[in-house]
Amino acid sequence: NAGVTQTPKFQVLKTGQSMTLQCAQDMNHEYMSWYRQDPGMGLRLIHYSVGAGITDQGEVPNGYNVSRSTTEDFPLRLLSAAPSQTSVYFCASSLGRPSYNEQFFGPGTRLTVL
Amino acid sequence: QQPVQSPQAVILREGEDAVINCSSSKALYSVHWYRQKHGEAPVFLMILLKGGEQKGHDKISASFNEKKQQSSLYLTASQLSYSGTYFCGTEDSGGGADGLTFGKGTHLIIQP
Repeated sequence: NAGVTQTPKFQVLKTGQSMTLQCAQDMNHEYMSWYRQDPGMGLRLIHYSVGAGITDQGEVPNGYNVSRSTTEDFPLRLLSAAPSQTSVYFCASSLGRPSYNEQFFGPGTRLTVL
Repeated sequence: QQPVQSPQAVILREGEDAVINCSSSKALYSVHWYRQKHGEAPVFLMILLKGGEQKGHDKISASFNEKKQQSSLYLTASQLSYSGTYFCGTEDSGGGADGLTFGKGTHLIIQP
């Protein structure tokens, strides 16, 4: 099992550009989520999905879109990148809702917006 | 609202003990603990549920005081490999987003 994979590992964007961060898992997990991590701020939930076709907003959803067409994939789209979106982005998955389940994190994508 | 972790940082000698605390102003359903080493992804340590159930690694111990909305992580006889940043994540009892709210982290440095 590859676990949770994320691509790319690093990305530099200019303000206003759009891009998609990819996340995939091969553990047949129903729950997937996206977090951003900024220095001194911990992890903040952006969007999450409890299963294919179902997504919802987390704590900091503005400027991001998600979709979940398959169980395996959960891409995160930046619509019009802003310097405030410079961060490290982690995708995570778990068997079910995080209440009872260990979350497995991907290696992260380090994004810089100029 | 983010849970509050204390201390923000701690430096220990190998073999010493540490306690990391996590408190919330909201009624909690569960508390989760993760450890992150520099440049790596967070790794699961433990889940503590309202009612006393726990899931996690055998060598890690933690407590959850439901009345005070507080949790503590106990690291005994610390090893160099324990170094990293520890995060608590909480899920409150009042519903809302189906995910965890993480604290800002506690930096733990273990010196030989």
